[in-house]
Amino acid sequence: DQQVKQNSPSLSVQEGRISILNCDYTNSMFDYFLWYKKYPAEGPTFLISISSIKDKNEDGRFTVFLNKSAKHLSLHIVPSQPGDSAVYFCAARGNNAGNMLTFGGGTRLMVKP
Amino acid sequence: NAGVTQTPKFQVLKTGQSMTLQCAQDMNHNSMYWYRQDPGMGLRLIYYSASEGTTDKGEVPNGYNVSRLNKREFSLRLESAAPSQTSVYFCASSRRTIPLEQYFGPGTRLTVT
Repeated sequence: DQQVKQNSPSLSVQEGRISILNCDYTNSMFDYFLWYKKYPAEGPTFLISISSIKDKNEDGRFTVFLNKSAKHLSLHIVPSQPGDSAVYFCAARGNNAGNMLTFGGGTRLMVKP
Repeated sequence: NAGVTQTPKFQVLKTGQSMTLQCAQDMNHNSMYWYRQDPGMGLRLIYYSASEGTTDKGEVPNGYNVSRLNKREFSLRLESAAPSQTSVYFCASSRRTIPLEQYFGPGTRLTVT
């Protein structure tokens, strides 16, 4: 029973265009959502987050949108750059003392020059 | 400031052998985590330690034990390795208050033959 799902295993985008990565969740108790980026042979690195009380958070080229009624979040990267090519994981935090995160399966983004 | 460090980077074990994966963080974080990453399955939580002196099971704890040695160090032990434990293991740490993002180590690639 996957509580966080990334239904697209891969995405290919041209440099300069917008990349949109999607994530769906089932648990309405999730209160905080994060996106991580992972390069091969490295650990995931934090990218951007959003609290469940907001519907948008922006940081430079990265914007995360949250639609609570649809239990859906998305990450927009504009403009996409070849260095953005990586695997992107969305993660959700339940209301728990241990700050535990539940991760989606990841989407591999390829940005073509 | 090294962040989260993990040793070893690579390990090959025979079925039935035991080993301990080491993790240390220098960010004065209270919470620490062990994940495993398998293809297409994202990161799954094995064990976590919300604070020094406490440990709790995550999603996939079977076959593993942990020790929170002190605030900095959190180790993961495989008592009798099985081929199903072939995976990449990541350690992470976080604060217990906002910002809630977890910081990851570079990973240990473990193969059990």
